[in-house]
Amino acid sequence: EEQLLESGGGFVQPGGSLRLSCAASGFTFSNYAMNWVRQAPGKGLEWVSAISYSGDRTYFADSVKGRFTISRDNSKSTLYLQMNSLRVEDTAVYYCAKEFEGFYPWGQGTLVTVSS
Amino acid sequence: SYELTQPPSVSVSPGQTASITCSGDKLGDKHVCWYQQKPGQSPVLVIHQDAKRPSGIPERFSGSNSGNTATLTISGTQAMDGADYYCQAWDSSTYVFGTGTKVNIL
Repeated sequence: EEQLLESGGGFVQPGGSLRLSCAASGFTFSNYAMNWVRQAPGKGLEWVSAISYSGDRTYFADSVKGRFTISRDNSKSTLYLQMNSLRVEDTAVYYCAKEFEGFYPWGQGTLVTVSS
Repeated sequence: SYELTQPPSVSVSPGQTASITCSGDKLGDKHVCWYQQKPGQSPVLVIHQDAKRPSGIPERFSGSNSGNTATLTISGTQAMDGADYYCQAWDSSTYVFGTGTKVNIL
């Protein structure tokens, strides 16, 4: 069974940093592009970032460009999201998702709260 | 930036057909996916490449995409189909999600 497990969420003050991780299992991680998607409390889905299967291409939403970095370690089957200069509006549940003919599966999400 | 617009809510009686639209400029030129999200759960892919159902998704879910509008149709709606639904497309090196539609089962 394909599974994704996010970790690293928590409480941080504005301007701070966090690194999220997404551990993959049940599929050959290095064969697939991966994505991060977030959902603010009570709001809709917002795509955040994508990375190619090899890691040589990355893409970002305008709202996080220049502040967030996406990376992967295929030897560890793990995806990362480095979040710097965090803002109150970055507060959300962050999901990772495997990309192949759509996003499937999704992880259970990890909550990031940015507040003073 | 590219935008996908969905109606905030759709109401349907059990056994009837629910149609959820997703509007965007020249959306028919892109591939659209649809996701179902129930409260407290992660999204689930129900349609990809406009009209294809992933394994395990019931046949009552179908999709179409033409012109500026993609449509998710739920035929013979069941109580378990009450959820939020989001469309998604790729444009200019970014993914875009629709505004989301809440399907209310009457």
